[in-house]
Amino acid sequence: DQQVKQNSPSLSVQEGRISILNCDYTNSMFDYFLWYKKYPAEGPTFLISISSIKDKNEDGRFTVFLNKSAKHLSLHIVPSQPGDSAVYFCAASESGDSWGKLQFGAGTQVVVTP
Amino acid sequence: EAGVVQSPRYKIIEKKQPVAFWCNPISGHNTLYWYRQNLGQGPELLIRYENEEAVDDSQLPKDRFSAERLKGVDSTLKIQPAELGDSAVYLCASSSTSGRPWDEQFFGPGTRLTVL
Repeated sequence: DQQVKQNSPSLSVQEGRISILNCDYTNSMFDYFLWYKKYPAEGPTFLISISSIKDKNEDGRFTVFLNKSAKHLSLHIVPSQPGDSAVYFCAASESGDSWGKLQFGAGTQVVVTP
Repeated sequence: EAGVVQSPRYKIIEKKQPVAFWCNPISGHNTLYWYRQNLGQGPELLIRYENEEAVDDSQLPKDRFSAERLKGVDSTLKIQPAELGDSAVYLCASSSTSGRPWDEQFFGPGTRLTVL
């Protein structure tokens, strides 16, 4: 049962433009959301996160938006750079005993073209 | 600071053979995770350790998978016997404290297992 879904397996964007990655979830008990970035032959690295008490979190070129009523979050990358070409995973966690048990989406491959 | 170290990086075995993966977490990290990532999917948690204790192994297929974390540092994940469906990347991650989601999980590069 996939509780975190990334329905776009790939995204191509021009350098300098905005990349928008989407993520939907079904578990209303999730209250912490994260984005990870993965390059080939490397492990995922943490990018940005958001708590369910917020609807936006910004870190440099990366902004995550959370819409709890729609069970939807998105990652905006502005401006996109060639080094942003990677697979991006959305992840979510419940609180309490499930702290640290991240549920990942299938990932979105982003390609930034010159 | 050294990151999470995993070995081997690649392993090819025949089905029904045993295989073991090793992980050395970041120094001082008490929490260690093993994930499995199937092709085209995100990582899936297999087991989480707090020091030596496995606090969540609900996703570990216990008939053929086993894990240990002696002395609360290094960890080994074993599959015996391996099946074709076990082909995947096995990722180890560690975090500094007790698994709160805002404690960043640092991932190793993974071991790519191919079962023939």
